Amino acid sequence: ELKVEQNPLFLSMQEGKNYTIYCNYSTTSDRLYWYRQDPGKSLESLFVLLSNGAVKQEGRLMASLDTKARLSTLHITAAVHDLSATYFCAVGETSGSRLTFGEGTQLTVNP
Amino acid sequence: DTGVSQDPRHKITKRGQNVTFRCDPISEHNRLYWYRQTLGQGPEFLTYFQNEAQLEKSRLLSDRFSAERPKGSFSTLEIQRTEQGDSAMYLCASSLGFAGSGDNEKLFFGSGTQLSVL
Repeated sequence: ELKVEQNPLFLSMQEGKNYTIYCNYSTTSDRLYWYRQDPGKSLESLFVLLSNGAVKQEGRLMASLDTKARLSTLHITAAVHDLSATYFCAVGETSGSRLTFGEGTQLTVNP
Repeated sequence: DTGVSQDPRHKITKRGQNVTFRCDPISEHNRLYWYRQTLGQGPEFLTYFQNEAQLEKSRLLSDRFSAERPKGSFSTLEIQRTEQGDSAMYLCASSLGFAGSGDNEKLFFGSGTQLSVL
C-alpha cells in the first residue's frame, strides 16, 4: 500500500524567510502533485512533476522530484502572508489512477 | 463558470437517511474522481470513472456507497443508511486523462459537498 508522508505537518514562519516542505512516498512512482488548500475551500493545483529531476517554479514556490529517493520538496522563498494555507503532496502510481495524498502541511506566515 | 461543480454545498441529514451528491466535471474531461476529506486530513480516494466506466473503487467504499456516471458526463455519489462516521467533505475532481502531459493529468477539484450526519 502506497504511503505518503509530509513533514513538517505544521510550519509557522516569518515573512521574508525561506523554508522547505518534504514529501516522502513508499513505492515507485513518477507522478507527484502539489496542491494548496485554503480554509473551507477546495484544492488548487500548484505543480505536476512527472519525471526524475523535474523542477517547477511559480512565484515564490519551487517544487522538485527525486524518484530514486522517493522524495519531493516544495521550497518557499521569501515567504509572504498570502502563502498561508495547507499544502498537500499527492502521488499517483500509474497514469490517471488514484492519487494518494499526504496529511498536509499547515503553513502560517507571520508578519 | 467552467470549473468542476458540486451540488449541494452542504447537506445535513439524520443517521439512517440516504443522501445523493452530484458532480458536474469540466466538460471535455474524461476522468472523474470522488474523494473524501475529514478535518485535518488529506483527501482519501473513493472511486474514479473513465467516461461512464467505473475503473477503480477503494476499499473505503462500503456497500452503502454507490457512484454512477451514466452518460460519461455528470456523476452522482449516493450514501445509503448514513452513519455519523460518514460526516466529511466529499470532493469531486476531473481531468483530461491523457498520459504524458502534465497538464492533462492534473486533477481539478470542485468546492465539495460538506456532509453532516446527526
